[in-house]
Amino acid sequence: ETGVTQSPTHLIKTRGQQVTLRCSSQSGHNTVSWYQQALGQGPQFIFQYYREEENGRGNFPPRFSGLQFPNYSSELNVNALELDDSALYLCASSLADYRSTGELFFGEGSRLTVL
Amino acid sequence: SQKIEQNSEALNIQEGKTATLTCNYTNYSPAYLQWYRQDPGRGPVFLLLIRENEKEKRKERLKVTFDTTLKQSLFHITASQPADSATYLCARHNQAGTALIFGKGTTLSVSS
Repeated sequence: ETGVTQSPTHLIKTRGQQVTLRCSSQSGHNTVSWYQQALGQGPQFIFQYYREEENGRGNFPPRFSGLQFPNYSSELNVNALELDDSALYLCASSLADYRSTGELFFGEGSRLTVL
Repeated sequence: SQKIEQNSEALNIQEGKTATLTCNYTNYSPAYLQWYRQDPGRGPVFLLLIRENEKEKRKERLKVTFDTTLKQSLFHITASQPADSATYLCARHNQAGTALIFGKGTTLSVSS
């Protein structure tokens, strides 16, 4: 186990609703990234937070937003849900200098279904 | 833009054989490539990282190579076991170093 925990594990929403997903980082990790993984695809980068600031963003619309808290836990918020938002949402934590070690520690994900 | 391509979606092999998975990248050579394992419904788990100045890296039954001329990494599992059945993801960093770019993955099935 990586020590990264995500909640909820599964949830079902309807189109137009809003959702908040939560992530608790591995102890000692100050950087958190969120990825979206559609069925049969590799994870796609949504954004990264370092010390409570957004540190990089992928090709996702502004209705995808996030927060990182002083204890390094994080939230992913998605507004105005669309059917295509159905996916596994993965949180990954790392040290700020992860580029030297390269390793990301992923949680087990939150499976979102939009009807 | 930087891309990662894992051309084989699925690979089926018999127990005891060596599985070889291919990862090709486009554009500039990344400083390193990473390989992850993902089981159904679970998050990816880091396996190996290989830097561009390393030709080969090993960890137990796993071996990874990095060929900057071919822009390719090969991932080998020797003496494969049914427990090795999973999806294997190859990844590189984006230019800013803030994100991993993943391939679609190759699903390996090892039959006994």
